[in-house]
Amino acid sequence: AQSVTQPDIHITVSEGASLELRCNYSYGATPYLFWYVQSPGQGLQLLLKYFSGDTLVQGIKGFEAEFKRSQSSFNLRKPSVHWSDAAEYFCAVGASEAAGNKLTFGGGTRVLVKP
Amino acid sequence: DTGVSQDPRHKITKRGQNVTFRCDPISEHNRLYWYRQTLGQGPEFLTYFQNEAQLEKSRLLSDRFSAERPKGSFSTLEIQRTEQGDSAMYLCASSLSSQGKLFFGSGTQLSVL
Repeated sequence: AQSVTQPDIHITVSEGASLELRCNYSYGATPYLFWYVQSPGQGLQLLLKYFSGDTLVQGIKGFEAEFKRSQSSFNLRKPSVHWSDAAEYFCAVGASEAAGNKLTFGGGTRVLVKP
Repeated sequence: DTGVSQDPRHKITKRGQNVTFRCDPISEHNRLYWYRQTLGQGPEFLTYFQNEAQLEKSRLLSDRFSAERPKGSFSTLEIQRTEQGDSAMYLCASSLSSQGKLFFGSGTQLSVL
């Protein structure tokens, strides 16, 4: 069975600084990887996904993530954080192409942005 | 699109009561998913439908839980004889296909007293 670990429960970053959120997965085959963001009172929103191809994936809101098979990681990055990026971020893995949206989520990382 | 709608937004019930939640997916989406999220945790997969067929149920979904999608459009999730451990946010999501972008609703927050 697949699993996802997000080692950082909370991260505080200053506005304008760079952000990196860690994600490690466990899955025997080629994983289908996702990052979602959840703002208070709002539904989860897809930031980006990786199915195959280029291991550096660009997403919405200026986010990118890099798939590293050797490290079983899919870390999320943003070069310059805005106050509106304060939210909870979830990494997720899908089991297969056919069940792509049946996801296993990590526990999340809450991002706080200091002015 | 109008997005995924869930009703009600909040539900408070007493232990032992039955509750039903409704999800209206984006109209042309044939896949519909239910997830459960407890405080401080990521969402956990419960079940999903392709059109009206329920294709998979998680072992998290005990016999007290039942989900339907009778005409391949809206879906309901019923919990019978609620327990305090059922308190959680119940999330619905839909997609156009198995790999299509997943759109989540805002969820139904259930509190069992």
